[in-house]
Amino acid sequence: QKEVEQNSGPLSVPEGAIASLNCTYSDRGSQSFFWYRQYSGKSPELIMSIYSNGDKEDGRFTAQLNKASQYVSLLIRDSQPSDSATYLCAFFSAGYALNFGKGTSLLVTP
Amino acid sequence: DAGVIQSPRHEVTEMGQEVTLRCKPISGHDYLFWYRQTMMRGLELLIYFNNNVPIDDSGMPEDRFSAKMPNASFSTLKIQPSEPRDSAVYFCASSLTSGAITDTQYFGPGTRLTVL
Repeated sequence: QKEVEQNSGPLSVPEGAIASLNCTYSDRGSQSFFWYRQYSGKSPELIMSIYSNGDKEDGRFTAQLNKASQYVSLLIRDSQPSDSATYLCAFFSAGYALNFGKGTSLLVTP
Repeated sequence: DAGVIQSPRHEVTEMGQEVTLRCKPISGHDYLFWYRQTMMRGLELLIYFNNNVPIDDSGMPEDRFSAKMPNASFSTLKIQPSEPRDSAVYFCASSLTSGAITDTQYFGPGTRLTVL
């Protein structure tokens, strides 16, 4: 069973702060990792992907991967109320389909 | 492109009835995925197709569920007979390729199914 663990939250941060979302995975063979954002009542959309250890930055978003610890995180700098959503961690293992976590709910308060 | 199209957007039916969900993937995408999302279980993969061929249906909960992809632009997910525990949001997604870091799965708006 390939598992992805995320804290369900809600994670509440004030506007302008850094939001830190974390994810652990069980399959050491996992190669590619993704963060999807899902607004309430909407479908998931891809915001970040990472496959090398270290950090990957895209605008206000930074994904961090540590394969030895089987840990991936997403940092959102200068959080805005519009960032309030559920963030889903996902990865590919040996197959061609994504394994998703249950998501962390983020609330950015003005 | 119009994105992934799903119909209907909402479906309310009674237990025992047949339900058919429809999906039109993005043109040119070779992979099509059917997911189910509930609060309890999160987003679960039910089945996926590559070039219209079912590749992995291990996520299909039981024989009441079936999926087809008769051509590159259309897929159906059928539940017969439906049960209240099938109530969920069903998403269809498509991607150009799958398994690579560059892959992006594009999700449709989903079908919210309620079985009474």
